[in-house]
Formats: sequence, structure tokens, C-alpha cells
Amino acid sequence: AQSVTQPDIHITVSEGASLELRCNYSYGATPYLFWYVQSPGQGLQLLLKYFSGDTLVQGIKGFEAEFKRSQSSFNLRKPSVHWSDAAEYFCAVGPGGGGADGLTFGKGTHLIIQP
Amino acid sequence: GAVVSQHPSWVICKSGTSVKIECRSLDFQATTMFWYRQFPKQSLMLMATSNEGSKATYEQGVEKDKFLINHASLTLSTLTVTSAHPEDSSFYICSATNSNQPQHFGDGTRLSIL
Repeated sequence: AQSVTQPDIHITVSEGASLELRCNYSYGATPYLFWYVQSPGQGLQLLLKYFSGDTLVQGIKGFEAEFKRSQSSFNLRKPSVHWSDAAEYFCAVGPGGGGADGLTFGKGTHLIIQP
Repeated sequence: GAVVSQHPSWVICKSGTSVKIECRSLDFQATTMFWYRQFPKQSLMLMATSNEGSKATYEQGVEKDKFLINHASLTLSTLTVTSAHPEDSSFYICSATNSNQPQHFGDGTRLSIL
């Protein structure tokens, strides 16, 4: 069965500091991996996705993520966070497009930005 | 980018009533739509998969008679929570996809049953 683990429930980072959010997955086939961001009371916005090819993927808002098959990880990074990055971040695994299966989400990491 | 519209965004109703939530794919034809449920401070849990023109497929533990799903067109899926009770209060989010798109999510519907 597929699963996603986000080990950090909360992370606090100072504004301007770098950020790394961890994600580990378990998936039977070649994984399609996603990072979504959710602001309070809002839906999900796709930050970036990995299907194949270059293992370092660039997303919106200055985020990037690196797929490491040997570690079953897909960690999200940002070199310098802004106060507006405070939100809930979800890692997900599943089919890339037109798949018959929904996504499996991690439990999320709540990002707090300190001034 | 692709947009998925979900309506209403917030609904409060009395126990025992039925509530319909709409999910519209605005700029692409969604052959598949998914319905998720999110409890406070929890992750999203897949409830059902809806393919246009077919019966929805429900995840284990989700009552199909409680959560009626209709996907009559390539741009619209509806979720009806029948005879809603306080334990059905939650945040419901839909997503839409096709062979060329990853899942795009709506902004969610907050359902509160009194």
C-alpha cells in the first residue's frame, strides 16, 4: 500500500532563513510526487510535481524539491522564506494524470515564520 | 493555469437536511474527479473517485448512500451529503484531472451541521 510520511508536524523558521520540509514515501510503482500548500480555510495549491527526468524540480514561489529514489524521499526546499509562506504543506504520491487512483497525502507540516 | 471551482465555500445547516456541493472544472475537461474529506488539522482523505458517466468508486469505510456522487458531465461533479448529522461536519475538497493534467483542487467547502 502506498503511504507518505511527513515527520515534522510543525516547523518554525525565521524570515529570510532557508527551509527544508521532509517527505518520505512508499509506492509500489514509479512514484509521481507532489507538494501542495494550503492556507487556512482554503483549498490546495500545487507547488511542484515530479514525474520523471531531472530529479531536482523547480516550482512556484521559489520552491524546489529533490527526488531521491535511494532514500524514498522528496524533500521541499526554499533558500529564503517570506512571512507569506506560513501555511500547511502537504506531500502527496499518486498517478500523474488521468490516473484511476486519488492521491495519498502525508499528514502535513505546519510552517510558522518568525519575524 | 487550470482552475477548479467549488461551490458553496461554506454552508451551515440543520441536522437531517441534505447538502449538495458542486465541483466544476473551468478550463479543461475532467474525465476524473475526486472527493476528499479533511478533518481539522488533519490530512486529506480520499472519499471517492468519480469518472464521467460512470458510478463513483468509494473508498473503504465511506457510505455511498450517505455521500451521493454524480459526475454527469466532463466539467461538473456533485457531492450530496444526505441526512447530514454533526459528525458529517468537515472540510470537503474536490479535485479534477484528465490524461494531461495533474489533480487540480477546488478551494473546498466547509460544512457545519448544527
